[in-house]
Amino acid sequence: GAVVSQHPSRVICKSGTSVKIECRSLDFQATTMFWYRQFPKQSLMLMATSNEGSKATYEQGVEKDKFLINHASLTLSTLTVTSAHPEDSSFYICSARGAGYQETQYFGPGTRLLVL
Amino acid sequence: GENVEQHPSTLSVQEGDSAVIKCTYSDSASNYFPWYKQELGKRPQLIIDIRSNVGEKKDQRIAVTLNKTAKHFSLHITETQPEDSAVYFCAASAAKGGANNLFFGTGTRLTVIP
Repeated sequence: GAVVSQHPSRVICKSGTSVKIECRSLDFQATTMFWYRQFPKQSLMLMATSNEGSKATYEQGVEKDKFLINHASLTLSTLTVTSAHPEDSSFYICSARGAGYQETQYFGPGTRLLVL
Repeated sequence: GENVEQHPSTLSVQEGDSAVIKCTYSDSASNYFPWYKQELGKRPQLIIDIRSNVGEKKDQRIAVTLNKTAKHFSLHITETQPEDSAVYFCAASAAKGGANNLFFGTGTRLTVIP
């Protein structure tokens, strides 16, 4: 149980374009989903927290107009990187937590974004 | 906010030896402490967690200890095997208005030498 999928696994795009990343909880209802960013050999940095049906809460320093998060259902959250630039290249990982799992977060496999 | 520190950043051990990774946290309200294992390019996998109402938890070769007074917790891996080689992250969380955000340590790269 507690499987989280993420799509796409990797994406290469041109500077200025937008990229959408999907995060799905496959076998449980995710009341809360989290989006992290991880640079090579570094830790996971929380970008934002989203609860189904409400606006995401962004961490300090994360631009909400650049990283659009939508949590439209209990099994799907999306992160859209708008007007991507090379410095946005990173490993983006989502995690999900269900009402029955208390504090435990289960991670998706991540999306490697490369902006040329 | 919560600040989690993790040591060491890298750790090499001979196969069969034990490995210990230590973390400290700053927020006394933190009450949940998971440990994740991340292999290169893959997702973090929860390997063990502990809540503040216990001081120690063990699962086969893996154990975690928690000292709430000192605000530190440790991961112990015994009889290490080459497949234990990975980056390990500790994390801390406190229930604040239902947020339960995880704050991660900086990671420890464990190498088990065959």
